[in-house]
Amino acid sequence: DAMVIQNPRYQVTQFGKPVTLSCSQTLNHNVMYWYQQKSSQAPKLLFHYYDKDFNNEADTPDNFQSRRPNTSFCFLDIRSPGLGDAAMYLCATSGDRGGVGEQFFGPGTRLTVL
Amino acid sequence: AQKITQTQPGMFVQEKEAVTLDCTYDTSDQSYGLFWYKQPSSGEMIFLIYQGSYDEQNATEGRYSLNFQKARKSANLVISASQLGDSAMYFCGGGFKTIFGAGTRLFVKA
Repeated sequence: DAMVIQNPRYQVTQFGKPVTLSCSQTLNHNVMYWYQQKSSQAPKLLFHYYDKDFNNEADTPDNFQSRRPNTSFCFLDIRSPGLGDAAMYLCATSGDRGGVGEQFFGPGTRLTVL
Repeated sequence: AQKITQTQPGMFVQEKEAVTLDCTYDTSDQSYGLFWYKQPSSGEMIFLIYQGSYDEQNATEGRYSLNFQKARKSANLVISASQLGDSAMYFCGGGFKTIFGAGTRLFVKA
């Protein structure tokens, strides 16, 4: 029944140790997004894919990378996590690129950096 | 550029009463969509309601309705008959990449 799945739900990593967050969807949507949400703040878009077309936000740090091997899966790689990267990471999908379709969010992965 | 503004950091409402959460937007797009999401303490974003810029009628979904005033560029969320379970963070968002406002934390009092 789940439509957007994120694994793991909670991730603990060490300062500087690479980490990968996973997102999968059963909706067959062509657009997938990654957001970062820090405590008491609004979600902030990091990047999105339209099919295989990758779109990076201008202020997304180089430390953040993404892969989308197929329609269903999308990964967020943090190459060298810093303490400031501790946050909730939300994956979302949309079936409409025109900006008039709703986004479906996964439950999020809460990242802790020690 | 697009911008979403929510000016109410926190709101209190008595259980069973209605509450309005404010949202204004700024966009140069001719066609756009506006959304409201609820985020409880568990962290997931729950879609509540959507309004398309060309929709002539205000959107409604159960106890949620969107008071869309295009000339004023406002898209306020109205929750009728508030319930304790409505206590959460509410985000207004818009556009393809869903720029979010800062959010409003709603507290429902018994």
